Amino acid sequence: AQSVTQPDIHITVSEGASLELRCNYSYGATPYLFWYVQSPGQGLQLLLKYFSGDTLVQGIKGFEAEFKRSQSSFNLRKPSVHWSDAAEYFCAVGAGNAGNMLTFGGGTRLMVKP
Amino acid sequence: EPEVTQTPSHQVTQMGQEVILRCVPISNHLYFYWYRQILGQKVEFLVSFYNNEISEKSEIFDDQFSVERPDGSNFTLKIRSTKLEDSAMYFCASRIQGPAAEAFFGQGTRLTVV
Repeated sequence: AQSVTQPDIHITVSEGASLELRCNYSYGATPYLFWYVQSPGQGLQLLLKYFSGDTLVQGIKGFEAEFKRSQSSFNLRKPSVHWSDAAEYFCAVGAGNAGNMLTFGGGTRLMVKP
Repeated sequence: EPEVTQTPSHQVTQMGQEVILRCVPISNHLYFYWYRQILGQKVEFLVSFYNNEISEKSEIFDDQFSVERPDGSNFTLKIRSTKLEDSAMYFCASRIQGPAAEAFFGQGTRLTVV
C-alpha cells in the first residue's frame, strides 16, 4: 500500500528566508506526486504536480519541487518566503486506478516570522 | 475560474441522525471524490465515483456511507446514522478524465456530531 510521510509537523521561518518542506513516499510503481496548500478555513489548493519528465517541477506562488526516485522524495522549496505563505502544506501520492485516489501525508504547518 | 462548491460549510447533527453533504463539482469533470479530515489527522480518501458508480472506496467507507449523483450537477455523501467519530471536515473533489489531471477540492463541510 502507498504511504506518504512528512517528517516535519511544524516549521517556522523568517520572512524572506528560504524554505524546504520534506516529503517521502512509498509506492510500488511510478508515482504521481502532488503538493497542496490549505490556508485556514480554506480548501486544498494544488501548488504543483509531478507525473513524468523533468524531475524539477515549477508551481504557483513561486514554489518548486524536485522528484528524487533514489530517495523516494518530493521536497517542496521556495527561495524566499512571504508572510502570506503561512498555511498547512500536504504532500500526496496518486494511487489506485491510473492515479485515481490520493494518499496524503500528515501535513506540515508553516509559520512565517516577520 | 471554475470551482468545486460544497454546502453547507458547517453542519451540526445529533448522533444517530442522517446527514447529506452536498457538492457541485466542476461541470466538465468526470471523476468525483469524497475525502475527510478528522481534526489533527491526515486527509483520508473515502470514495471515488465515475460513470455513475463507485470506482474505488476505502475501508472507512462502510455501509453507513453512500454517494449519489442525483442529477447532472450535484454529488452527495450520505451518512445514515452518524456517530461521534464521524465528526470531521469532509472535502469533495473532482477531476477531469485522465491520470495526469489534478483533483480540484472544495472548501469542505465541517460536520460536528453531538
